[in-house]
Amino acid sequence: EVQLVESGGDLVQPGGSLRLSCAASELSISTSWMSWVRQAPGKGLEWVANIKPDGSEKYYVDSVKGRFTISRDNVKNSMFLQMNSLSADDTAVYYCAREWRVTGTPLDIWGTGTTVTVSS
Amino acid sequence: DIQMTQSPSSLSASVGDRITITCRASRHMLTYLNWYQQKPGTVPKLLIYAATSLQSGVPSRFSGSGSGTDFTLTISSLQPEDFATYYCQQSYSVPLTFGGGTKVEIK
Repeated sequence: EVQLVESGGDLVQPGGSLRLSCAASELSISTSWMSWVRQAPGKGLEWVANIKPDGSEKYYVDSVKGRFTISRDNVKNSMFLQMNSLSADDTAVYYCAREWRVTGTPLDIWGTGTTVTVSS
Repeated sequence: DIQMTQSPSSLSASVGDRITITCRASRHMLTYLNWYQQKPGTVPKLLIYAATSLQSGVPSRFSGSGSGTDFTLTISSLQPEDFATYYCQQSYSVPLTFGGGTKVEIK
């Protein structure tokens, strides 16, 4: 079954760090732009960052610039999100998603999400 | 950044109703507009991409229209399984942005 599986979510104190992983199975992500999207409890969807297939371009939402770093390892068919200086506003379910290479570049395959809770 | 404004934020409807959800972009973005459905506790599901293209496996009662700044998602005959929250999303430029969501509830 084609799937993306996130891991690494945890309870962390304000100011702490976490590294999220997204592993693909039955699907090669090496030629795809990949995104991280988050959803705070009871809130809507917020795009966080994306990365080009070869890792040479990365983009972020303003609220995470300088604190989060997206990366990938195409050999391991995986993507990562290093999150530093975490605050309560970063509490959310984090999804990884594939940007499908068709007109509109929609997010067509989503992981099941991993929960990040920032609290003392 | 392109801001996406969805309306209404919620609506109540009955099975069999025709409903329309609107998404307005803060600037022109051709047809780089996608729609997603999310049911409580589940992952967002792609419904419509490039404003009008139906994702494989999505029932034909769902349709999308629009270009430029104004877009709509229509459900021609609401079914029990359609009660969910719907989001529009622009993929024209980074940062990618979502609308605030429209919660469709049972009347």
